[in-house]
Amino acid sequence: DAGITQSPRHKVTETGTPVTLRCHQTENHRYMYWYRQDPGHGLRLIHYSYGVKDTDKGEVSDGYSVSRSKTEDFLLTLESATSSQTSVYFCAISEGVEKFFGPGTRLTVL
Amino acid sequence: AQSVTQPDIHITVSEGASLELRCNYSYGATPYLFWYVQSPGQGLQLLLKYFSGDTLVQGIKGFEAEFKRSQSSFNLRKPSVHWSDAAEYFCAVGPANQAGTALIFGKGTTLSVSS
Repeated sequence: DAGITQSPRHKVTETGTPVTLRCHQTENHRYMYWYRQDPGHGLRLIHYSYGVKDTDKGEVSDGYSVSRSKTEDFLLTLESATSSQTSVYFCAISEGVEKFFGPGTRLTVL
Repeated sequence: AQSVTQPDIHITVSEGASLELRCNYSYGATPYLFWYVQSPGQGLQLLLKYFSGDTLVQGIKGFEAEFKRSQSSFNLRKPSVHWSDAAEYFCAVGPANQAGTALIFGKGTTLSVSS
């Protein structure tokens, strides 16, 4: 157990509203990641972080921003949610070269 | 381009039969390879990994995978499938010896088990 929690676990929101998802880890890992999972697409990288205040874009970063002000928390923000952002969002951490995943957040944008 | 291909979107296997899930990758650097399993409504669990050495690796739940460099493949196998193995399986690749680089995932194979 890599000590990863995500909140909320489920969220329904409306188009145009801001949404923030939180990933929290308890073991002081340097690297953290946000992926989204969609049927037929597998997991795609949104953003990642290699330390406090150090972040970079992934494959599908448009419409998302991230912040990491503390080692243990990595926040994913949808500034203005769209229906295309309906997805399951997974946070992950690196332990050496292995990646461990949180339980996921199911987001529905109506 | 770096990519992972899982050619089979959905496979149905009878309980007790053998299983092979295919994974092919395209990667510029020396790869590390992974298989993850996701049960419905759950997160991803690491089944097994290949870093170096013996090309046949053993994982949890009786799974194994064989790395074939010449074929750029990392197929997952199990000799006798149980109903509880029904899940979605993801193959992933990352660079050897680079702890922070994100993994690239295939699109997944859904396994159904019939009785």
